[in-house]
Amino acid sequence: DAGVIQSPRHEVTEMGQEVTLRCKPISGHNSLFWYRQTMMRGLELLIYFNNNVPIDDSGMPEDRFSAKMPNASFSTLKIQPSEPRDSAVYFCASSFGGRGDTQYFGPGTRLTVL
Amino acid sequence: GDSVTQMEGPVTLSEEAFLTINCTYTATGYPSLFWYVQYPGEGLQLLLKATKADDKGSNKGFEATYRKETTSFHLEKGSVQVSDSAVYFCALGAGGYNKLIFGAGTRLAVHP
Repeated sequence: DAGVIQSPRHEVTEMGQEVTLRCKPISGHNSLFWYRQTMMRGLELLIYFNNNVPIDDSGMPEDRFSAKMPNASFSTLKIQPSEPRDSAVYFCASSFGGRGDTQYFGPGTRLTVL
Repeated sequence: GDSVTQMEGPVTLSEEAFLTINCTYTATGYPSLFWYVQYPGEGLQLLLKATKADDKGSNKGFEATYRKETTSFHLEKGSVQVSDSAVYFCALGAGGYNKLIFGAGTRLAVHP
């Protein structure tokens, strides 16, 4: 299995631009999670899906952030417009979603907003 | 709400030294507990886990025991190697979909 795939691995953009991060979960997993990692705030859960349905988006920082999961093999996290404080590493993870199930993380997308 | 507290780093050890990284949690119900490791420039990898009280998770010489009475899940290794240098995260799995709540992470540096 290829594991969780994220793209791009690095993104540099200017303030005000739209940014789209992409994630392909492990085949067969039915839960998908988006996290953000910064030095100041550590690892934060932004949103998670089960069977392509958003379950909890309470971690999404602002309306500028949105996430979709149109099918079981693809999810996007969009920031529009981007701001310098959005600079972070964004991780996608997937699992079977049951109690105690392991979440498998992608390599992350390092976003820099200038 | 649910939370995880782990010892601050960095932890600096010589090769073959004994390692302990403390982790305590606050949770309603009976969470699952995890240790993840992050090597430079990479995503997080599961190191070990335990899903109920008194369970011991182990992997690659690392161990942690789920202690309900002390709400702890301390990570230990008897003899660390330079290759163990990484950031270690304690986490609890909460809710029906096992969302993870992470501690702040502890950076470990092992010197030859």
